[in-house]
This record gives sequence, structure tokens and C-alpha cells, in this order.
Amino acid sequence: GQQLNQSPQSMFIQEGEDVSMNCTSSSIFNTWLWYKQDPGEGPVLLIALYKAGELTSNGRLTAQFGITRKDSFLNISASIPSDVGIYFCAGQPNAGNNRKLIWGLGTSLAVNP
Amino acid sequence: DTAVSQTPKYLVTQMGNDKSIKCEQNLGHDTMYWYKQDSKKFLKIMFSYNNKELIINETVPNRFSPKSPDKAHLNLHINSLELGDSAVYFCASSRDGGNEQFFGPGTRLTVL
Repeated sequence: GQQLNQSPQSMFIQEGEDVSMNCTSSSIFNTWLWYKQDPGEGPVLLIALYKAGELTSNGRLTAQFGITRKDSFLNISASIPSDVGIYFCAGQPNAGNNRKLIWGLGTSLAVNP
Repeated sequence: DTAVSQTPKYLVTQMGNDKSIKCEQNLGHDTMYWYKQDSKKFLKIMFSYNNKELIINETVPNRFSPKSPDKAHLNLHINSLELGDSAVYFCASSRDGGNEQFFGPGTRLTVL
């Protein structure tokens, strides 16, 4: 099935550093979503984006809906140990089944205290 | 608490057995989903129901049969379990027409 290109695949950083990850697609998307999955848990929605160019923050997290509508970025500022987990992007394509999300493969984040 | 809940959390069984996983949401959502997450953590959509009607049915073996008795429940029955069925299965829900999906805690299925 269709997948989003999510990078980097993994990151290992020091506590206090800022983190950036992104997601790209070959087609236009109407919606971009960012989720975090802790070990042994289900993904939790962090930020939802609905408009090209939209920039939305949730605490230390900031995400942007790319102007081309083919990409999205998630930034985490001043990372802390509890930021550890897998971050997934997901999107709703402009065409096709409007209830089916397309998912990235995840960015695994490790934070060294 | 309002949430998406799944039972059981863990399921260990022998090849060839039949098993069911149950999901319930009390968020008032109209749409529910089943996902399979493999060892590489990729989330693959399997099925989706909207108001008890099947709306997404991906390429899944017909040993997997979803059932939605009402819009708050979506169960997954798996016949003749195979080793490759071992994975974490997540239930999710969303408002009708909404893209924001809310996930349950997952059911880790291990087939021996």
C-alpha cells in the first residue's frame, strides 16, 4: 500500500537538544497528523494540520503543513527523556478514500539524559 | 474515562486456533478501525466500519472477519491462526468524516 516517506528513521540525541523530523508524499494531502507511540501503548495524536502553510504548536512541539501540500514537519524543542518513543506522520490524500489515512514508517527517538 | 479499550491486552495461542479481539469506544465516534502493527512498527489498516457498515477492507486474508454489533464496538475474529499473524493489533475510532483517529492500547498476539 501507499506509504509516506518519513525521515530520519531514527535519532539519538542529548537531553535539551532540539529535534526535527519530516514527512513527504508524492501526491497532495488535505490533512497531516503527527502521532507519538510509547512502548507498549497505542499511538497518541499530537498535532493535526488542515491548511497549507499552517503552523501549530502543542507545548514544546511544533508542526507545519507544507505549502506544497506534499510535506509536513515536526519539531521538538528542548528535548526531555519522556520524549522517547516513535513518532508517526499520517495524512489524508486529496484523492481516494477519504477515511483512509496513509502512514509513515516512523521516527524512533532516543534521548540521552 | 472516555477512551478506546481493547481486550485482551495479550493473547498467546497455538497455530490453527481461532481467536477474537474486542474493541469498544465511548467517545461517541461513528467510525472504527483495525490496524496491524508488525515488528518493524508499520501501521497497516485492515478494516474500517462506519455506523456498522464496512467501508474499508484492505487486502487481508479472509481468515480475518470483523464484526460491528453497534457503532461503539468493533470485534476482530481470526480463524486458523498462522505464525505470520503474530503482531500488535490496534483498534481506533474517529468522528464520521474526521481524520483524527484515536487508538486503543493494542493487543499483542503471539502465535506459537
